[in-house]
Amino acid sequence: QKEVEQDPGPLSVPEGAIVSLNCTYSNSAFQYFMWYRQYSRKGPELLMYTYSSGNKEDGRFTAQVDKSSKYISLFIRDSQPSDSATYLCAMILSGNTGKLIFGQGTTLQVKP
Amino acid sequence: EAQVTQNPRYLITVTGKKLTVTCSQNMNHEYMSWYRQDPGLGLRQIYYSMNVEVTDKGDVPEGYKVSRKEKRNFPLILESPSPNQTSLYFCASSFSGQSTDTQYFGPGTRLTVL
Repeated sequence: QKEVEQDPGPLSVPEGAIVSLNCTYSNSAFQYFMWYRQYSRKGPELLMYTYSSGNKEDGRFTAQVDKSSKYISLFIRDSQPSDSATYLCAMILSGNTGKLIFGQGTTLQVKP
Repeated sequence: EAQVTQNPRYLITVTGKKLTVTCSQNMNHEYMSWYRQDPGLGLRQIYYSMNVEVTDKGDVPEGYKVSRKEKRNFPLILESPSPNQTSLYFCASSFSGQSTDTQYFGPGTRLTVL
């Protein structure tokens, strides 16, 4: 069983839709949770970073962490065609090895 | 512009022919790392370096070598590439490698080993 599970999709939505992306994880020791966005032929770029359970909002993006259920989500409001990309959840233990554990990534297409 | 650069971006080679993928960052970061990305498996860490002359294995180090002789550079060496090393490779860097540091990724190197 993978440490982090993420549905690879693809997920196709119309412009303006609310998008929900999710990951589950098995290691309760994960302390920090991230969402990366990866455009085609580009490297991942950090989108959201959360530490504790609860919600964190940044513009149209909301990251949600539920440590009791080992479940994290990313919500995108008013989705735009420019949001079309692969979204990767990532997690890291506390400490200083810097090793990110990634989900497979979900490919999202927002149609005009 | 703050960035992580990788070269080459694309490489096709044959089994057993030694190759090096270079990685350089201009942010004075202490921590650097290599990942490979494969369909269905996501990104997996190959090696990482906490500082000059300090390197350690990640989850999938077999068949790879690294060196960190300068702070800005972290080359990935495949001494005898095999087809199962065909993958998309990313270099990443962060200020210190602490869990709270943002990691910045390079644009990727697509390697095909025939």
